Amino acid sequence: NAGVTQTPKFQVLKTGQSMTLQCAQDMNHEYMSWYRQDPGMGLRLIHYSVGAGITDQGEVPNGYNVSRSTTEDFPLRLLSAAPSQTSVYFCASTPTPHGQPQHFGDGTRLSIL
Amino acid sequence: GENVEQHPSTLSVQEGDSAVIKCTYSDSASNYFPWYKQELGKRPQLIIDIRSNVGEKKDQRIAVTLNKTAKHFSLHITETQPEDSAVYFCGGGGSNYKLTFGKGTLLTVNP
Repeated sequence: NAGVTQTPKFQVLKTGQSMTLQCAQDMNHEYMSWYRQDPGMGLRLIHYSVGAGITDQGEVPNGYNVSRSTTEDFPLRLLSAAPSQTSVYFCASTPTPHGQPQHFGDGTRLSIL
Repeated sequence: GENVEQHPSTLSVQEGDSAVIKCTYSDSASNYFPWYKQELGKRPQLIIDIRSNVGEKKDQRIAVTLNKTAKHFSLHITETQPEDSAVYFCGGGGSNYKLTFGKGTLLTVNP
């Protein structure tokens, strides 16, 4: 049982490039979410999904797209990277968002030059 | 939406002392309040959580209290040890699929 797996762990991009951050969980959790973590800002919700085929925006969705074709996978796409998207990205999953702890992945450290 | 404020942003204590971190929330419908510990370069990990039908919860040296009327909850760590040094985050939510986090408290326990 690997829990929540994120790839890659580190990535450097140039402004304007696109990339996909991968997130997979093997706990059969319905609810998955993406957060970004910036110094002094805590964890801010980007997008979330309550099940396969269902996604919604969080607090800071601009510049990011998501899809949820399977229960296991929840990729985050940056279509045209900007320096403001330099951050640490965490994926999390939980069986239900109503009163259950979230399980975080190890994070992806992304730098946009 | 929910707004969670956390204080203090930094806290320094001597080993063996107690540490208290406080959070307030805005949405009276929120019913789930977790606390996460994050060591440098690592993932956030749940240390304790409380639901709105409970006023206090303890787990060894860690306790959380919740005051629904005042919309605030606190993390208490007793007999602090150097390995307690980390960033602690509070969270609030559970009513609308979203969990909102405070900005974090950097706790330093000095030997």
